[in-house]
Amino acid sequence: QSALTQPRSVSGSPGQSVTISCTGSSSDVGSYDFVSWYQCHPGRAPRFMIYDVTKRPSGVPDRFSGSKSGNTASLTISDLQTEDEADYYCSSYAGGYLRYVFGSGTTVTVL
Amino acid sequence: QVELVESGGGVVQPGGSLRLSCAASGFTFNIYAFHWVRQAPGKGLEWVAVLSSYGIDNYYADSVKGRFAISRDVSRNTVYLQMDTLRAEDTAVYYCVRSKATSWHNFDFWGQGTLVTVSS
Repeated sequence: QSALTQPRSVSGSPGQSVTISCTGSSSDVGSYDFVSWYQCHPGRAPRFMIYDVTKRPSGVPDRFSGSKSGNTASLTISDLQTEDEADYYCSSYAGGYLRYVFGSGTTVTVL
Repeated sequence: QVELVESGGGVVQPGGSLRLSCAASGFTFNIYAFHWVRQAPGKGLEWVAVLSSYGIDNYYADSVKGRFAISRDVSRNTVYLQMDTLRAEDTAVYYCVRSKATSWHNFDFWGQGTLVTVSS
């Protein structure tokens, strides 16, 4: 059972924007600006996409952006491309014994 | 280029043990913390354990505490996960993941994973 809640799937046409939510609690997302996002293609290593809520690692297109409000973080993919079709997971520092928690994962489909 | 290559996965009976290895290359090994993250079939990601860049501090998910142990060999640039008293629910792909020493919460590079199946 994942600690952070994400929608099971989102979809959009090429060129459109989609937003994935990641809802936690005051013990994780709401307490720390330590939310990150990962892109998972089948059979490939997960890729680091967003860190510290809003920052993009080198090499990640600026079509990917992150934000947070209260206990919910979000990943927005603008100008959707076919190669963006993948599973996306959020993660947050949680402190205490749990330490790091992941979201349930969201499948992005490009129509 | 940066590489993390996991090995050691396989099929093991409940109650058995397995040791996973993660060979790192292409970067300075001892300035990074290392994690193991797993993904059960059809499920999401689950953080398992972390070892500090000094190789001293380690933390575990409650689900594996007391059964798993993370360690490293700096001379071999390799991280290990010793898994004992394995259960069916430990069946998963296990990923080796690095993070900078100053930001353990950012999993900035992942290996391809190794599959562990616990079954009789």
